[in-house]
Amino acid sequence: AQSVSQHNHHVILSEAASLELGCNYSYGGTVNLFWYVQYPGQHLQLLLKYFSGDPLVKGIKGFEAEFIKSKFSFNLRKPSVQWSDTAEYFCAVTAPNTGFQKLVFGTGTRLLVSP
Amino acid sequence: SAVISQKPSRDICQRGTSLTIQCQVDSQVTMMFWYRQQPGQSLTLIATANQGSEATYESGFVIDKFPISRPNLTFSTLTVSNMSPEDSSIYLCSAMRQAKETQYFGPGTRLLVL
Repeated sequence: AQSVSQHNHHVILSEAASLELGCNYSYGGTVNLFWYVQYPGQHLQLLLKYFSGDPLVKGIKGFEAEFIKSKFSFNLRKPSVQWSDTAEYFCAVTAPNTGFQKLVFGTGTRLLVSP
Repeated sequence: SAVISQKPSRDICQRGTSLTIQCQVDSQVTMMFWYRQQPGQSLTLIATANQGSEATYESGFVIDKFPISRPNLTFSTLTVSNMSPEDSSIYLCSAMRQAKETQYFGPGTRLLVL
């Protein structure tokens, strides 16, 4: 079965700092990859996704992620964070053995951006 | 995208009782799912709600404890039966128009069992 690892459980940054959140998955074949974000008091929202093509994908609010197949990684980046980026970030994967239907989530990373 | 609503948004229940959570999507979708997010943990898939047939449950989840209905392509319910404090969680509904596409999530139902 697939699994997803997020290495940082809690990250604290100052505004304007750069962000990189790690995500590794354990499936050897083709996968679809996602980053979801959950802002305080709000529901889970899609930040960006990778299905195929350019491994560098851009999402909303200045976020981007790079798919590196050889490293089974899909790290999330933002060059300059804002206080409003304080949220919990989840990496997730779907794979062909489940028809690309079942999302397997990482444990999440709580990001706190101090003003 | 799909807009998903859930009712109730939160509830406090006594142990031994049952709660039914409703999930409504603003348009027809092929697939609907139910997830659980226990305190401080990630999301875990409970089951896939199949329209017109029995739900498909993940390992560790059973129909007697979490009966699911899906009468049409826009609506599903999840019942948490014979609740115990260990069932205190956020329960989320999600939907996908087609396989291999994006899943969208509802706001969740925050359940506290005393």
